[in-house]
Amino acid sequence: GAVVSQHPSWVICKSGTSVKIECRSLDFQATTMFWYRQFPKQSLMLMATSNEGSKATYEQGVEKDKFLINHASLTLSTLTVTSAHPEDSSFYICSAPGLAGGSGEQFFGPGTRLTVL
Amino acid sequence: QKEVEQNSGPLSVPEGAIASLNCTYSDRGSQSFFWYRQYSGKSPELIMFIYSNGDKEDGRFTAQLNKASQYVSLLIRDSQPSDSATYLCAVNENDYKLSFGAGTTVTVRA
Repeated sequence: GAVVSQHPSWVICKSGTSVKIECRSLDFQATTMFWYRQFPKQSLMLMATSNEGSKATYEQGVEKDKFLINHASLTLSTLTVTSAHPEDSSFYICSAPGLAGGSGEQFFGPGTRLTVL
Repeated sequence: QKEVEQNSGPLSVPEGAIASLNCTYSDRGSQSFFWYRQYSGKSPELIMFIYSNGDKEDGRFTAQLNKASQYVSLLIRDSQPSDSATYLCAVNENDYKLSFGAGTTVTVRA
């Protein structure tokens, strides 16, 4: 199957700083990528849909000025958590749709564990 | 996002038994249904997808879909300790967006 990577795999930062997370499709092109957030013992919540060459689409309740998404190429989407606070500590996961049309399958990156002190 | 409900669990089964996981969804127009397995601290990995009514088997896993009842299930036969994980049901809305259930944690007792 297709491979999606994320970097970094974990990050610890001080409150008020910004953190950038990269999501790359390694062996395929992805015009669309998705960003999820998962708190402990909870399911994945879709934050936004990242679209190559255009603005991201954010889900209701997600602050677009706090979670900046840039999809500058067909293989890279970045999520920047600006002015991070302890409540932003979470597991951030990106995904990209599979190559085969119609099934709706998504390939997930390995996730980034963010801890804000 | 549309609602996806899973039996809350946790579900504990002895090794070799069948684990049965259930999922219901609210959007009758949903087309594709997925079961993901997630180990603690890891991202989800796809086990199976199904989009036609009936059963779909892959090794020890069988997915069952009933669109009239808006119900999808996953059976794990001959459960192994390595099957201990959280299982997420996901439903495809449109444009590849997925709505996830809260997950059911399965523990297989050796």
